[in-house]
Amino acid sequence: QQQVKQSPQSLIVQKGGISIINCAYENTAFDYFPWYQQFPGKGPALLIAIRPDVSEKKEGRFTISFNKSAKQFSLHIMDSQPGDSATYFCAASMREGGSEKLVFGKGTKLTVNP
Amino acid sequence: DAGVTQSPTHLIKTRGQQVTLRCSPISGHKSVSWYQQVLGQGPQFIFQYYEKEERGRGNFPDRFSARQFPNYSSELNVNALLLGDSALYLCASSPKRVYNSPLHFGNGTRLTVT
Repeated sequence: QQQVKQSPQSLIVQKGGISIINCAYENTAFDYFPWYQQFPGKGPALLIAIRPDVSEKKEGRFTISFNKSAKQFSLHIMDSQPGDSATYFCAASMREGGSEKLVFGKGTKLTVNP
Repeated sequence: DAGVTQSPTHLIKTRGQQVTLRCSPISGHKSVSWYQQVLGQGPQFIFQYYEKEERGRGNFPDRFSARQFPNYSSELNVNALLLGDSALYLCASSPKRVYNSPLHFGNGTRLTVT
Protein backbone atom coordinates (compact mmCIF):
# COMPACT_ATOMS: atom_id res chain seq x y z
CA GLN A 1 0.00 0.00 0.00
CA GLN A 2 3.03 2.23 0.24
CA GLN A 3 4.01 1.69 -3.37
CA VAL A 4 4.14 4.32 -6.06
CA LYS A 5 3.76 2.83 -9.52
CA GLN A 6 5.45 4.69 -12.37
CA SER A 7 5.16 4.25 -16.12
CA PRO A 8 6.58 3.99 -18.69
CA GLN A 9 9.92 2.50 -17.75
CA SER A 10 11.55 4.24 -20.70
CA LEU A 11 10.49 6.94 -23.12
CA ILE A 12 11.95 8.24 -26.35
CA VAL A 13 10.78 11.62 -27.62
CA GLN A 14 11.84 13.85 -30.47
CA LYS A 15 13.15 17.31 -29.73
CA GLY A 16 10.25 19.71 -29.34
CA GLY A 17 7.81 16.97 -28.43
CA ILE A 18 5.85 16.40 -25.22
CA SER A 19 7.07 13.88 -22.68
CA ILE A 20 4.46 12.39 -20.35
CA ILE A 21 5.23 10.23 -17.32
CA ASN A 22 2.49 8.77 -15.16
CA CYS A 23 2.35 7.67 -11.54
CA ALA A 24 -0.28 6.09 -9.32
CA TYR A 25 -0.52 5.48 -5.60
CA GLU A 26 -2.83 3.70 -3.16
CA ASN A 27 -2.11 5.15 0.26
CA THR A 28 -4.25 8.23 0.93
CA ALA A 29 -1.84 9.23 3.72
CA PHE A 30 0.52 10.60 1.08
CA ASP A 31 0.30 14.38 1.17
CA TYR A 32 3.09 15.73 -1.01
CA PHE A 33 4.13 14.62 -4.48
CA PRO A 34 7.53 15.72 -5.81
CA TRP A 35 9.25 14.80 -9.05
CA TYR A 36 13.00 14.31 -9.16
CA GLN A 37 15.40 14.38 -12.10
CA GLN A 38 18.56 12.31 -11.98
CA PHE A 39 21.49 12.45 -14.38
CA PRO A 40 24.04 9.61 -14.50
CA GLY A 41 26.50 9.81 -11.63
CA LYS A 42 24.45 12.43 -9.80
CA GLY A 43 21.94 12.42 -7.00
CA PRO A 44 18.27 13.16 -7.65
CA ALA A 45 17.39 16.85 -7.91
CA LEU A 46 13.95 18.23 -7.12
CA LEU A 47 12.19 19.33 -10.29
CA ILE A 48 8.68 20.30 -9.23
CA ALA A 49 6.22 19.29 -6.52
CA ILE A 50 2.49 19.45 -5.83
CA ARG A 51 0.15 19.10 -2.89
CA PRO A 52 -3.14 17.17 -3.24
CA ASP A 53 -5.31 20.26 -2.84
CA VAL A 54 -4.06 21.51 -6.22
CA SER A 55 -4.93 19.88 -9.55
CA GLU A 56 -2.15 21.36 -11.63
CA LYS A 57 1.15 23.13 -11.15
CA LYS A 58 3.31 24.59 -13.89
CA GLU A 59 6.92 25.71 -13.73
CA GLY A 60 8.38 26.67 -17.06
CA ARG A 61 8.18 23.70 -19.43
CA PHE A 62 7.27 21.30 -16.59
CA THR A 63 3.69 20.68 -15.46
CA ILE A 64 2.30 18.31 -12.84
CA SER A 65 -1.30 17.19 -13.23
CA PHE A 66 -2.89 15.68 -10.12
CA ASN A 67 -6.10 13.63 -9.91
CA LYS A 68 -6.88 13.05 -6.25
CA SER A 69 -9.95 10.86 -6.81
CA ALA A 70 -8.07 8.56 -9.17
CA LYS A 71 -4.93 8.71 -7.03
CA GLN A 72 -2.85 9.49 -10.08
CA PHE A 73 -0.43 12.22 -11.04
CA SER A 74 1.67 12.90 -14.07
CA LEU A 75 4.58 14.98 -15.30
CA HIS A 76 4.39 16.73 -18.65
CA ILE A 77 7.54 18.14 -20.22
CA MET A 78 6.68 20.53 -23.02
CA ASP A 79 9.08 21.31 -25.87
CA SER A 80 11.38 18.50 -24.74
CA GLN A 81 15.08 19.15 -25.26
CA PRO A 82 18.09 16.81 -25.51
CA GLY A 83 19.28 18.27 -22.20
CA ASP A 84 16.15 16.85 -20.57
CA SER A 85 17.48 13.33 -21.20
CA ALA A 86 17.67 11.86 -17.70
CA THR A 87 15.85 9.49 -15.37
CA TYR A 88 12.74 10.93 -13.76
CA PHE A 89 11.30 9.69 -10.49
CA CYS A 90 7.91 10.47 -9.06
CA ALA A 91 7.63 10.28 -5.31
CA ALA A 92 5.06 10.55 -2.57
CA SER A 93 5.68 11.80 0.93
CA MET A 94 4.11 10.53 4.10
CA ARG A 95 4.50 11.21 7.77
CA GLU A 96 5.17 8.13 9.86
CA GLY A 97 5.68 8.50 13.56
CA GLY A 98 7.90 11.50 13.96
CA SER A 99 9.48 11.32 10.56
CA GLU A 100 8.71 12.06 6.98
CA LYS A 101 9.78 9.70 4.22
CA LEU A 102 9.62 9.75 0.47
CA VAL A 103 8.41 6.68 -1.42
CA PHE A 104 9.81 6.70 -4.95
CA GLY A 105 8.59 5.15 -8.16
CA LYS A 106 10.98 2.96 -10.12
CA GLY A 107 11.89 5.72 -12.53
CA THR A 108 11.48 6.57 -16.22
CA LYS A 109 14.50 6.90 -18.45
CA LEU A 110 13.77 9.72 -20.88
CA THR A 111 15.74 10.08 -24.09
CA VAL A 112 15.15 13.17 -26.21
CA ASN A 113 16.52 12.79 -29.71
CA PRO A 114 17.84 15.90 -31.47
CA ASP B 1 27.11 27.40 -1.34
CA ALA B 2 28.26 23.81 -1.11
CA GLY B 3 25.62 21.17 -1.58
CA VAL B 4 25.33 17.90 0.29
CA THR B 5 28.71 16.20 0.24
CA GLN B 6 29.23 12.47 0.63
CA SER B 7 32.36 10.43 1.04
CA PRO B 8 33.77 8.27 -0.29
CA THR B 9 32.36 8.43 -3.81
CA HIS B 10 33.10 4.78 -4.51
CA LEU B 11 33.83 1.84 -2.26
CA ILE B 12 34.50 -1.86 -2.82
CA LYS B 13 34.05 -4.26 0.09
CA THR B 14 33.95 -7.99 0.61
CA ARG B 15 31.00 -9.94 1.97
CA GLY B 16 30.95 -9.94 5.75
CA GLN B 17 32.90 -6.69 6.10
CA GLN B 18 31.64 -3.47 7.64
CA VAL B 19 31.40 -0.08 5.96
CA THR B 20 30.93 3.52 7.11
CA LEU B 21 29.60 6.18 4.78
CA ARG B 22 29.74 9.88 5.58
CA CYS B 23 27.54 12.85 4.78
CA SER B 24 27.81 16.60 5.33
CA PRO B 25 24.51 18.44 4.91
CA ILE B 26 24.05 21.85 3.40
CA SER B 27 25.08 24.53 5.87
CA GLY B 28 22.13 25.34 8.11
CA HIS B 29 20.28 22.11 7.39
CA LYS B 30 19.51 20.13 10.52
CA SER B 31 17.73 17.10 9.06
CA VAL B 32 19.58 14.29 7.29
CA SER B 33 18.03 11.29 5.58
CA TRP B 34 19.63 8.23 4.04
CA TYR B 35 18.33 6.38 0.99
CA GLN B 36 19.48 3.23 -0.82
CA GLN B 37 19.21 3.17 -4.61
CA VAL B 38 19.70 -0.20 -6.22
CA LEU B 39 20.61 -0.07 -9.91
CA GLY B 40 17.53 0.53 -12.03
CA GLN B 41 15.28 1.33 -9.06
CA GLY B 42 14.12 4.39 -7.20
CA PRO B 43 15.71 5.39 -3.89
CA GLN B 44 14.41 3.59 -0.81
CA PHE B 45 14.22 5.26 2.61
CA ILE B 46 16.60 3.98 5.28
CA PHE B 47 16.78 6.58 8.09
CA GLN B 48 15.92 10.13 9.00
CA TYR B 49 17.78 12.07 11.68
CA TYR B 50 16.91 15.44 13.10
CA GLU B 51 18.76 17.22 15.89
CA LYS B 52 20.92 14.12 16.41
CA GLU B 53 17.98 11.84 17.08
CA GLU B 54 16.62 9.07 14.88
CA ARG B 55 13.17 10.18 13.73
CA GLY B 56 12.33 7.42 11.31
CA ARG B 57 13.54 4.10 9.99
CA GLY B 58 12.68 2.24 6.81
CA ASN B 59 12.34 -1.49 6.30
CA PHE B 60 16.02 -2.36 6.63
CA PRO B 61 17.67 -4.95 8.90
CA ASP B 62 19.49 -4.07 12.09
CA ARG B 63 22.78 -4.42 10.21
CA PHE B 64 22.09 -0.85 9.11
CA SER B 65 22.66 1.89 11.66
CA ALA B 66 23.34 5.61 11.56
CA ARG B 67 24.05 8.58 13.72
CA GLN B 68 24.10 12.34 13.49
CA PHE B 69 26.75 14.51 15.06
CA PRO B 70 26.45 17.92 16.79
CA ASN B 71 27.53 19.64 13.55
CA TYR B 72 24.62 17.81 11.81
CA SER B 73 26.89 15.62 9.69
CA SER B 74 25.94 11.96 9.63
CA GLU B 75 27.35 8.49 9.22
CA LEU B 76 25.66 5.36 7.89
CA ASN B 77 27.10 2.05 9.02
CA VAL B 78 26.39 -1.31 7.48
CA ASN B 79 27.66 -4.48 9.17
CA ALA B 80 28.06 -8.00 7.82
CA LEU B 81 27.80 -6.86 4.22
CA LEU B 82 25.83 -8.95 1.75
CA LEU B 83 26.04 -8.95 -2.03
CA GLY B 84 22.57 -7.40 -2.06
CA ASP B 85 23.87 -4.34 -0.22
CA SER B 86 25.57 -3.23 -3.43
CA ALA B 87 23.89 0.05 -4.29
CA LEU B 88 24.17 3.81 -4.46
CA TYR B 89 23.70 5.25 -0.97
CA LEU B 90 22.24 8.72 -1.02
CA CYS B 91 22.23 11.29 1.72
CA ALA B 92 19.70 14.12 1.67
CA SER B 93 19.33 17.16 3.87
CA SER B 94 16.53 19.60 4.52
CA PRO B 95 16.49 22.87 6.43
CA LYS B 96 14.51 21.79 9.43
CA ARG B 97 11.88 19.43 10.59
CA VAL B 98 9.24 20.91 8.37
CA TYR B 99 7.06 18.43 6.64
CA ASN B 100 7.09 18.54 2.87
CA SER B 101 10.25 20.63 2.71
CA PRO B 102 12.38 19.81 -0.32
CA LEU B 103 15.09 17.22 0.09
CA HIS B 104 18.51 18.11 -1.29
CA PHE B 105 20.43 14.99 -2.30
CA GLY B 106 24.14 14.44 -2.52
CA ASN B 107 25.70 12.52 -5.40
CA GLY B 108 25.92 9.38 -3.32
CA THR B 109 28.42 6.70 -2.43
CA ARG B 110 28.57 3.77 -4.83
CA LEU B 111 29.11 0.62 -2.73
CA THR B 112 30.09 -2.60 -4.42
CA VAL B 113 30.14 -5.79 -2.35
CA THR B 114 32.06 -8.71 -3.84
